[in-house]
Amino acid sequence: QVHLQESGPGLVKSSQTLSLNCAVSGDSINTGAYYWSWVRQTAGQGLEWIGRVYSTGRTAYNPSLQSRVTVSMDTSKRHFSLRLTSVTAADTAMYYCATQDRANSGRFDFWGQGILVTVSS
Amino acid sequence: DIQLTQSPPSLSASVGDRVTITCQASENIGNYFSWYQLKVGEAPKPLIYGASSLQSGVPLRFSAYRLGTQYSLSINNVQPEDSAIYFCQQTLNIPITFGQGTRLDIK
Repeated sequence: QVHLQESGPGLVKSSQTLSLNCAVSGDSINTGAYYWSWVRQTAGQGLEWIGRVYSTGRTAYNPSLQSRVTVSMDTSKRHFSLRLTSVTAADTAMYYCATQDRANSGRFDFWGQGILVTVSS
Repeated sequence: DIQLTQSPPSLSASVGDRVTITCQASENIGNYFSWYQLKVGEAPKPLIYGASSLQSGVPLRFSAYRLGTQYSLSINNVQPEDSAIYFCQQTLNIPITFGQGTRLDIK
């Protein structure tokens, strides 16, 4: 059982950088069983996968965001992070961190409660 | 990107009804397919993985099947707590993509 909790500022100014952390408990962040992932839900839109990091440090990103996004992990602090640069109003969303099982058809087993981030002009 | 066309966008049901939501994938994704339930203020809840396997702890009134590139989620005997938005997802290819969601309201 993995418990995830997002944290970070709820308000970011346009053109600045959005930075969020996801605290991991209940299992080791070094486990090779999961990809550590970020997903967002924008108002009126569906869910959008942002990217993920694996315990080796290997990452994968949504091409639509790749030029602006970095996902990283800090095993000593038991968290992984999202960094999104040059934000605009279109980046206003509920941001979730989640685990993606490397087996079981890649299901997203565990999710955080989400954090609402608003981009102001 | 693999597109998932989800329908209907919304539906309304009475307690005890059976409802079905479908997702059409733009290409073959096999069983790299999941369904999730999303309620306001809560973490998304996985319901189905591998196209038709029930996640542990999910009520048996939820079921799913795959026919080629079409995937369906059914809820038998709908309950008030099933009011939520339901999303489908493919995890075969990067980027991982989701359907647009189906809002289920209980009358």
